[in-house]
Amino acid sequence: SQQGEEDPQALSIQEGENATMNCSYKTSINNLQWYRQNSGRGLVHLILIRSNEREKHSGRLRVTLDTSKKSSSLLITASRAADTASYFCATVPFYTGANSKLTFGKGITLSVRP
Amino acid sequence: SAVISQKPSRDICQRGTSLTIQCQVDSQVTMMFWYRQQPGQSLTLIATANQGSEATYESGFVIDKFPISRPNLTFSTLTVSNMSPEDSSIYLCSAGPGGGEKLFFGSGTQLSVL
Repeated sequence: SQQGEEDPQALSIQEGENATMNCSYKTSINNLQWYRQNSGRGLVHLILIRSNEREKHSGRLRVTLDTSKKSSSLLITASRAADTASYFCATVPFYTGANSKLTFGKGITLSVRP
Repeated sequence: SAVISQKPSRDICQRGTSLTIQCQVDSQVTMMFWYRQQPGQSLTLIATANQGSEATYESGFVIDKFPISRPNLTFSTLTVSNMSPEDSSIYLCSAGPGGGEKLFFGSGTQLSVL
């Protein structure tokens, strides 16, 4: 069953602008992850944020997590044409064992216009 | 990190035939998973490939249709059996340390069934 729901479904911005994408989920989580998928390719892991963390940074990426609202946001600053891709959030349930599985959202299509 | 080689990258197959997809990881990993992704859609987990034992299938997927092997910690195969046009999809291999930590993905196999 789907856990994460991304918003918006599609986003089109100009190069240099910031892109903000949101993910909401329903049940308690151990961690939340963001992945990028370029057209026709596999997914690339971007960032993982744990339930006891509120914010993480990685280069031009900033991820926040609000467990009270069961939501996360991914901010890409100073976007580039190469950021054009689909972005997925994935959640891991609160109880984490060795066989814990990720549940992916439907994804956001980001287009960055040169 | 892990690098995953997946092949074939794409194939066009006839109805009723079978296709085996191979996934090779460049280092020993605890967990390997197989996902299916319909065009423009999210990822759906097919099964967890268990080393030396039968795979663990998700609801809606059965061993007769999607037999999986994992003879060692670095290699797995997924077979799509008795294919129909509904099996046309992207199939993705992924691997990771387990415990809900980040996953590494192969570049996917784009399957078209005529």
